[in-house]
Amino acid sequence: AQRVTQPEKLLSVFKGAPVELKCNYSYSGSPELFWYVQYSRQRLQLLLRHISRESIKGFTADLNKGETSFHLKKPFAQEEDSAMYYCALSDSEGTSYGKLTFGQGTILTVHP
Amino acid sequence: DVKVTQSSRYLVKRTGEKVFLECVQDMDHENMFWYRQDPGLGLRLIYFSYDVKMKEKGDIPEGYSVSREKKERFSLILESASTNQTSMYLCASSPYYEQYFGPGTRLTVT
Repeated sequence: AQRVTQPEKLLSVFKGAPVELKCNYSYSGSPELFWYVQYSRQRLQLLLRHISRESIKGFTADLNKGETSFHLKKPFAQEEDSAMYYCALSDSEGTSYGKLTFGQGTILTVHP
Repeated sequence: DVKVTQSSRYLVKRTGEKVFLECVQDMDHENMFWYRQDPGLGLRLIYFSYDVKMKEKGDIPEGYSVSREKKERFSLILESASTNQTSMYLCASSPYYEQYFGPGTRLTVT
């Protein structure tokens, strides 16, 4: 069974510091991985998808199949990055197409 | 812009009541999902649907059922609400991989 693990429930950094939110996955097939973000009083939304290799709001994430990781990184954190972040894995096989398995989430707080 | 709406933002029900949570999307997406969101547990999939009248169990379907009579509407039903179903419920729709979420319904069962 597939699984996504985010080992940190809470992460605090100061503005301007680098930030890394960890995500590890377990999946027997070819993974499709995502980061979703939920800002205070907003709905959950897609931040980035590994296959697109984009940098969104300064965040990047690299899929490391050897370490089965998909860590989210930003070199200089901003206060507006404070939010809940979820790593998610897509099950693209059979009739479960598009189904996501989410990690437990990490609350990022960026202090001024 | 994709719009996913949920019938209520806040709902308070009594133990044993039948509860209906409604979700509507306006982008003709095939796939729709119901999750519950609990601190420390993340989002857990309750049910999903990949077509009208088609449904599949997610990871935690016990105590829930769903209905999808029209493509745009996906309903979550709690047949007999219990206090352990107090949670935030999120609906999502998806054309492919990206999921678009509704604002959530915070359900309290007393």
